[in-house]
Amino acid sequence: GQQVMQIPQYQHVQEGEDFTTYCNSSTTLSNIQWYKQRPGGHPVFLIQLVKSGEVKKQKRLTFQFGEAKKNSSLHITATQTTDVGTYFCNPGSRLTFGEGTQLTVNP
Amino acid sequence: DTAVSQTPKYLVTQMGNDKSIKCEQNLGHDTMYWYKQDSKKFLKIMFSYNNKELIINETVPNRFSPKSPDKAHLNLHINSLELGDSAVYFCASSQGYDYGYTFGSGTRLTVV
Repeated sequence: GQQVMQIPQYQHVQEGEDFTTYCNSSTTLSNIQWYKQRPGGHPVFLIQLVKSGEVKKQKRLTFQFGEAKKNSSLHITATQTTDVGTYFCNPGSRLTFGEGTQLTVNP
Repeated sequence: DTAVSQTPKYLVTQMGNDKSIKCEQNLGHDTMYWYKQDSKKFLKIMFSYNNKELIINETVPNRFSPKSPDKAHLNLHINSLELGDSAVYFCASSQGYDYGYTFGSGTRLTVV
């Protein structure tokens, strides 16, 4: 299936700093899903975005879907050590996940 | 009340052996998947199974075969295990391809 590019691959932040991961596609997506995988754990579904320009918030997490439905972002405000893990995007219907962004948070 | 359960959680075996990993979901989902996660954390789709339609990732060796006795189960059988098969294997399910996936806790396979 067609791939999405997810950047950055790694991100190290100090606790309290913000963090953003991006998911980019060369083709229009029907929807996009975001997942979080804690170290040693399994991916857990966070949210799905469907509409052009959609913005959804979950506490300190903000998810956006681009106007052209070709890119998406996940932004975390004031990171905490509990945010550590790998964040994946998954373009709906494609089966193929992005390569993930591994976030580490220094206390 | 585990939604997607995989067994075993850990599997250590010798090269050349045949092994199976079982997966069961109690969510009533129509679609199930097997993913392989390597040491770099990449999640690679191996198979998806929806209403008796099997979609195979063409890069998966034919030593791997999914078996689905019913809608709630999708087992993974691996023949002639190789060192490169060592990875974490995740089963997942969803209502369909455009819905969020629920993952099992994973099976860490080590081939020695």
